[in-house]
Amino acid sequence: AQSVTQLGSHVSVSEGALVLLRCNYSSSVPPYLFWYVQYPNQGLQLLLKYTTGATLVKGINGFEAEFKKSETSFHLTKPSAHMSDAAEYFCAVSDPMKTSYDKVIFGPGTSLSVIP
Amino acid sequence: EAQVTQNPRYLITVTGKKLTVTCSQNMNHEYMSWYRQDPGLGLRQIYYSMNVEVTDKGDVPEGYKVSRKEKRNFPLILESPSPNQTSLYFCASSPHHGLAESTDTQYFGPGTRLTVL
Repeated sequence: AQSVTQLGSHVSVSEGALVLLRCNYSSSVPPYLFWYVQYPNQGLQLLLKYTTGATLVKGINGFEAEFKKSETSFHLTKPSAHMSDAAEYFCAVSDPMKTSYDKVIFGPGTSLSVIP
Repeated sequence: EAQVTQNPRYLITVTGKKLTVTCSQNMNHEYMSWYRQDPGLGLRQIYYSMNVEVTDKGDVPEGYKVSRKEKRNFPLILESPSPNQTSLYFCASSPHHGLAESTDTQYFGPGTRLTVL
């Protein structure tokens, strides 16, 4: 069965510092991978996703993530944190052998705080 | 404006009183889904629908029902709510249910916060 772990339920960074949010998955086959962001009192918004092809994926708001099959990881990074990046971030996987969204497994989430 | 709407946004009810949370999308999406979000557990899929009259269970379907009579609507029904169904609920939709297209994405509603006393 697939599962997703996110190391660190809460991460704090200074404004302008590197953002690194970790995501590891377990799957028998390379899955499709997603990062979502949830701002306070809002629904989730897709940041980026990996399906096939280039392993470094660029998303919105300056975020990017790299799929590393050997490490079963899909960590999210941003070179310079902005105050507006403070939010909850969710990593998710789905099985490419099935339809794209019928079994999306979400991680528990990481709350990002940005310190002025 | 392309959007997924949910109603109500907040609801406090009592054990056993049937309720329905509505979800509607105006993007002609085939695929719709319901999730619940609980602290430390992330989002868990309750039910999904690949098209009109086609629904299937997600990971936590117990205590919930859904229907998809029209493409745009996907209501979530709690026939006899219990306190363990107190949660934040999200509806989502996406254009297709097939293999993920590079431009495909899942759109989420604003959420419904349900409290069952």
